Amino acid sequence: DVKVTQSSRYLVKRTGEKVFLECVQDMDHENMFWYRQDPGLGLRLIYFSYDVKMKEKGDIPEGYSVSREKKERFSLILESASTNQTSMYLCASSLYPDSQGGTEAFFGQGTRLTVV
Amino acid sequence: AQKVTQAQTEISVVEKEDVTLDCVYETRDTTYYLFWYKQPPSGELVFLIRRNSFDEQNEISGRYSWNFQKSTSSFNFTITASQVVDSAVYFCALSEASGYSTLTFGKGTMLLVSP
Repeated sequence: DVKVTQSSRYLVKRTGEKVFLECVQDMDHENMFWYRQDPGLGLRLIYFSYDVKMKEKGDIPEGYSVSREKKERFSLILESASTNQTSMYLCASSLYPDSQGGTEAFFGQGTRLTVV
Repeated sequence: AQKVTQAQTEISVVEKEDVTLDCVYETRDTTYYLFWYKQPPSGELVFLIRRNSFDEQNEISGRYSWNFQKSTSSFNFTITASQVVDSAVYFCALSEASGYSTLTFGKGTMLLVSP
């Protein structure tokens, strides 16, 4: 089974802190994603990566950066946390599109981040 | 730009009732992929189904069935004889062949099944 593991289930950080959210997958997937989930807004894509050291902005990248130094690990960085970044953060991974096209993403359990 | 609309924010049913969750999508690509995910109270999204745009066959898996209609850009999900364990938030999602398999999600439908 594919396993996507996020380092923390719950985090509380102070405004202005630098925050690292870590995600590891064990199925050798090329693609990795970071989404945030907010009530009434669904899931929105922050950043994604299709290869080591490669990254692409999603729909809401402002205030975030990412790092992918190894294929299995994808980190989301909040450079200076703000209260409007209080949210549920979900990491996902998937294979690169196959001959059939789009492939399903597998998600971690989520990190609920509160910025105070 | 691609878009997914789940007009039903919340649905409440009594156990054993059938329930249909609606999903309407927009895309300019001729090749695309549609997905349904379930998010139980534990929080982790669970993959349910993937459908390719060139395959309009409906699918049934146990109590779950999916109706894909390209003519109306809809990909609806029906649960037959609902159970309390079906209570969750359900997300419909779309990815385009021209992309990197990034998913665009609808806002989700919360389904509450009461005994």
